[in-house]
Amino acid sequence: QVQLVESGGGLVKPGESLRLSCAASGFPFSDHYMSWIRQAPGKGLEWVSYVSSSGTTIYYADSVKGRFTVSRDNAQNSLYLQMNSLRPEDSAVYYCARDSCSGAGCYHFELWGQGTLVTVSS
Amino acid sequence: SYVLTQPPSVSVAPGKTARITCGGNNIGSKSVHWYRQRPGQAPVLVIYYDTYRPSGIPERFSGSNSENTATLTISRVEAGDEADYYCQVWDSSSDHVVFGGGTKVTVL
Repeated sequence: QVQLVESGGGLVKPGESLRLSCAASGFPFSDHYMSWIRQAPGKGLEWVSYVSSSGTTIYYADSVKGRFTVSRDNAQNSLYLQMNSLRPEDSAVYYCARDSCSGAGCYHFELWGQGTLVTVSS
Repeated sequence: SYVLTQPPSVSVAPGKTARITCGGNNIGSKSVHWYRQRPGQAPVLVIYYDTYRPSGIPERFSGSNSENTATLTISRVEAGDEADYYCQVWDSSSDHVVFGGGTKVTVL
């Protein structure tokens, strides 16, 4: 079954860290660029990060650059997001999403996980 | 940074046509993608590269893109089309994915 399953969300205090995971199955994970996209409660979609299929090219939104680190393990079919120095405004559902193209980035997303909720509050 | 502007809401009667706009500076030179998000669900791609529909998306969904406005058109609107819709582009000048603020479509 082709799917993405996120995990690792939870309640943390401001300044703390959290690591999200996204497990991919049913498709050749190593062929696809991957992205993290978040959605604060009642708000719109906000792109967070993008990683190439090999992991060598990475982009970040300005709001998370320097605090978040994306990585992938193609042998484990997994995508990760290490989030440090968390702020209340980072509270959101975090989705991992698969780039629609195989072998190169085409920068749209045809497969999404169901998301994992991160809450940053004291 | 590149900005995409969508109307917050659009209301449409069943069987009529809904048009959702996405404004951006010279957006016609970019590829625009559209997503539908129903309450409590993950987004679903409904249009990519301005006009193409993924498999499983009804022909009632169509897209256009010219100059400073891209448009998602939903023909013969059904109750199940009620959702939030987001436009999205890749801004190559900043290497950023950009989403519009979203439009809530209400079926009257």
